[in-house]
Amino acid sequence: DSGVTQTPKHLITATGQRVTLRCSPRSGDLSVYWYQQSLDQGLQFLIQYYNGEERAKGNILERFSAQQFPDLHSELNLSSLELGDSALYFCASSVHPSGGTDTQYFGPGTRLTVL
Amino acid sequence: QQQVKQSPQSLIVQKGGISIINCAYENTAFDYFPWYQQFPGKGPALLIAIRPDVSEKKEGRFTISFNKSAKQFSLHIMDSQPGDSATYFCAATLQGAQKLVFGQGTRLTINP
Repeated sequence: DSGVTQTPKHLITATGQRVTLRCSPRSGDLSVYWYQQSLDQGLQFLIQYYNGEERAKGNILERFSAQQFPDLHSELNLSSLELGDSALYFCASSVHPSGGTDTQYFGPGTRLTVL
Repeated sequence: QQQVKQSPQSLIVQKGGISIINCAYENTAFDYFPWYQQFPGKGPALLIAIRPDVSEKKEGRFTISFNKSAKQFSLHIMDSQPGDSATYFCAATLQGAQKLVFGQGTRLTINP
């Protein structure tokens, strides 16, 4: 168990809808990362927050947004959902802001299915 | 230039054999190369990592070989066991950078 928790485990919704994925980092970790894992795109970095502030952006669509709250948990909001948004969404956390070389601990993921 | 290419996509090895997964990168500025292991239903977990100032790093049955001139690195799993069956991802990043660039993954199956 990595110590990173994600809810919900599974989410099934319809096109055009909006969902919120939640992540609680490991105790003591200040950085949170969001990744999307799909069969055709592999693991893609979406966005990183460090201590409440956006730190880095990757291949995140404009329909997606995230935030990190004062208690350090993070939420990823996905809106105007399309079939292609169906994927596994992982949250990871690390101690430091320089996530590349800092060990990132991944949560179990949220499987999103858009029908 | 930010891509990491991983091969093979899938690999079947007999128990006790050597599993070899290869990765290649373009960006010569990359200076940290981790490997992640992912079991079904779980998130990826760091397995082993290497920096380009060494050509090899070994941890138990897992070894990373690094060829800086060829811009390639590989994971070798010695004495492969059924419990090693998982998906393996190579990755690369820059020191101080925030994001990891992942390869496409290799699904490894160890037959008993």
